[in-house]
Amino acid sequence: QVQLQESGPGLVKPSETLSLTCTVTGGSVNSGSYHWSWIRQPPGKGLEWIGYINYSGNTNYNPSLKSRVTISVNMSKKQFSLMLNSVTAADTAVYYCAMGLPTLFGNYWGQGTLVTVSS
Amino acid sequence: IVLTQSPATLSLSPGERATLSCRASESVSSYLAWYQQKPGQAPRLLIFDASNRATGIPARFSGSGSGTDFTLTISSLEPEDFAVYYCQQRSNWPPGIFGGGTKVEIK
Repeated sequence: QVQLQESGPGLVKPSETLSLTCTVTGGSVNSGSYHWSWIRQPPGKGLEWIGYINYSGNTNYNPSLKSRVTISVNMSKKQFSLMLNSVTAADTAVYYCAMGLPTLFGNYWGQGTLVTVSS
Repeated sequence: IVLTQSPATLSLSPGERATLSCRASESVSSYLAWYQQKPGQAPRLLIFDASNRATGIPARFSGSGSGTDFTLTISSLEPEDFAVYYCQQRSNWPPGIFGGGTKVEIK
């Protein structure tokens, strides 16, 4: 059974870089149709799509975050990562990783990790 | 592209039928999904590409629509169905955008 797990610091200082990793266990990532996504949810609010990377390494980012976001994948380690730079308090949220096959719609999700931006 | 969900809150009793709407600002063909999210949990994919139930999703959940107007129907609400529901599209730029959500609460 495929499982995803986010990892990374729970507290990031303003203006610094938020860095999270999602590790995939229990399944293969060697498919040409996978999409690996990051989504976030500020406390008490709705879901915000951050972006995704596919098996070919192509990325798509939310235009509102594009200048600050990088998503990458390391298939040999079965991990994909999120970097969000120049963070502010508005970036405080639960961050989810998700994996979609064969489309970007998330069949599998991590449990989410709360990242707080504060000095 | 913008996805608008209505109503924001739906107050119903167990056993009743729930009808949730998602309207896109431009056509997304049939490339729309529905998710369920319970407090403290990650979203769960219910429906993909407008009308296809994801693996393990009960038959009381159904999706319909195409173009700009989509509906998620729960034929008879079970106690575990009270949650927040989101739609998401993958057709137009930017792909992956979510709607604002509909909360289905117990009346």
